[in-house]
Amino acid sequence: KQEVTQIPAALSVPEGENLVLNCSFTDSAIYNLQWFRQDPGKGLTSLLLIQSSQREQTSGRLNASLDKSSGRSTLYIAASQPGDSATYLCAVRWGVAGGTSYGKLTFGQGTILTVHP
Amino acid sequence: DTGVSQDPRHKITKRGQNVTFRCDPISEHNRLYWYRQTLGQGPEFLTYFQNEAQLEKSRLLSDRFSAERPKGSFSTLEIQRTEQGDSAMYLCASSSTPYGGRGPSTGELFFGEGSRLTVL
Repeated sequence: KQEVTQIPAALSVPEGENLVLNCSFTDSAIYNLQWFRQDPGKGLTSLLLIQSSQREQTSGRLNASLDKSSGRSTLYIAASQPGDSATYLCAVRWGVAGGTSYGKLTFGQGTILTVHP
Repeated sequence: DTGVSQDPRHKITKRGQNVTFRCDPISEHNRLYWYRQTLGQGPEFLTYFQNEAQLEKSRLLSDRFSAERPKGSFSTLEIQRTEQGDSAMYLCASSSTPYGGRGPSTGELFFGEGSRLTVL
């Protein structure tokens, strides 16, 4: 079964700290992986997308890595700020043999991040 | 571009009533997805369309649920005879296939703000 797991479920850090959020997936045959941010009661905001051929993507203070062989992705947040407090979701689009796969994403349950001043 | 828009943002209904949600995707996107999210959980896939064709439906989509995208633009999700267990956030997303939009695409999904359903 193709599943996505995120650990930890919740994380609380002081402002300024660098932190890592983890995402693991059960099938290494992924097409791409996308990280999202969700504020309470809101929709999802796309942060980074990593194609299966890539090892990492960077946007500002965010860096996402992908290791297909170990079934893991990490989201690194540098110099955290209270405004980073949100739920972070990892989602995988699985590959299909012989073609592109722009089908559904399978989500993890998310990591609730709290950055306190 | 205004992004993905969903309407209504909030809906409170009594058990047994029918409800309909609307999603307007990003204009150049040919794929449209519906997800459901309950408190503390990640979004769960319901169904998706490529243009007007419904390509995949989840087992979560019972006979009371129906989704349409008649002209390949906006989509509606209808829930008939609502139950308390249907209370959730209903999220819509859109994307492009590699050359289905106005040029090459990574397939990145963009979500709307969601429609929150409360069934009393």
